[in-house]
Order: sequence, then structure tokens, then C-alpha cells
Amino acid sequence: EAGVTQFPSHSVIEKGQTVTLRCDPISGHDNLYWYRRVMGKEIKFLLHFVKESKQDESGMPNNRFLAERTGGTYSTLKVQPAELEDSGVYFCASSQGLAGIYEQYFGPGTRLTVT
Amino acid sequence: AQSVSQHNHHVILSEAASLELGCNYSYGGTVNLFWYVQYPGQHLQLLLKYFSGDPLVKGIKGFEAEFIKSKFSFNLRKPSVQWSDTAEYFCAVKNNQGGKLIFGQGTELSVKP
Repeated sequence: EAGVTQFPSHSVIEKGQTVTLRCDPISGHDNLYWYRRVMGKEIKFLLHFVKESKQDESGMPNNRFLAERTGGTYSTLKVQPAELEDSGVYFCASSQGLAGIYEQYFGPGTRLTVT
Repeated sequence: AQSVSQHNHHVILSEAASLELGCNYSYGGTVNLFWYVQYPGQHLQLLLKYFSGDPLVKGIKGFEAEFIKSKFSFNLRKPSVQWSDTAEYFCAVKNNQGGKLIFGQGTELSVKP
């Protein structure tokens, strides 16, 4: 069974540019989560999809971040325009069934560097 | 708001030493507790979890953790570490309704051969 995959693994962009991160969850997993780890800090929740619907987006930092999950399969996280403080590692995780019960499986992360 | 505190940022041990990593959380309701590990170059993976029942939970690779409700703690232990346990360890909590995980800052463990 394929795990959670993320693309790209690393992205370097300039301040003001746009970047789109992609996450492919494990097949059949209804729940998809985005997290972010800024260097030296804890991993922080960004948002949670159940199928194609946003269940909880309380962690999204501001309106420069836009997440979508068309058709309830893969998800994208767009940052537009990127700022220096957006640098960090963006993790995606997925889980099956009821969100409160099942283990979240994490992807390898996308390391975003904004210069 | 929920929060998780891990007591140590970096722990250095020799092989065969015993390990205990501290984790405290703040939340008044029912919680689910987790320890995740990230080995160098690998994904975050679940070591163990506590949902209910026996507060002493056993995970993979000889790790265990004890939930002490009165202390809001969920410390991770291993009697004898190996060089291959070198990794970063994360404690996480979520309430029993939602899905989002609240993580601690992480503890980097270095085991000397």
C-alpha cells in the first residue's frame, strides 16, 4: 500500500512568488490534514478536510494560504504571495473513517524556503 | 487552548542507557495521546497511542508510555536504547471529538554507540 506522498520535496522561491504544494493521501482515506513546522518550533495544525469539505481550518495563518481538495482525493496548498515567515516544512497526513479514532499517516513533508 | 510541552529539546545517551522523555499537556477534557517519531530522512510515524483503558501503553520497538491523568503527563520510556533509536520524538494530543493533533516542540534523541 502506497503511503502519503507530497510534491515537491523541496521548493525555494522568492518573497512575493506563488507556490503550490501537493499531497496525495493514502487511497480511501477520507481525512486529510495539513501541518507546518517552522524551524525550531512545534508542528502546527493548519487544516483538516473530510473528503472534499473543510472540516476545520482554524490553523490557517492568513488569507495568503488556500487549500483545496477537489473530488476528495489529492489536496493542494497554495501560498500567494509567499512571505519569509512562510518558510518551513509542510506536512500532510491522512486517516480513514472517523477522524477521532484512526491513526494519522504522515507524508515526508515539503521543505519550503522563501528568500 | 490545548498545548503540549516536552521537557527536553535534546537528549544524548549512550547505548543501553534508559530513556524517559517527558510530556505534559494542558486540556481539561478527555484526550487522546500520541508519541510520534521521525528517524533521519524518514516520515513521522506513530510509536504508540493512548485512547482509554490501561494507562500503560506499549508501542513499537520496545517503547512504552504511561498516562498519568492527575499530572496531565504522558511520558515515553525505553529501558535500554540503541543507536538506531536516534531520532526526533514528538508528543501529541487531541481531544476526543476532533481530528487535529497538537504537538509538542519535539525532543531530539542522540544515542552514542
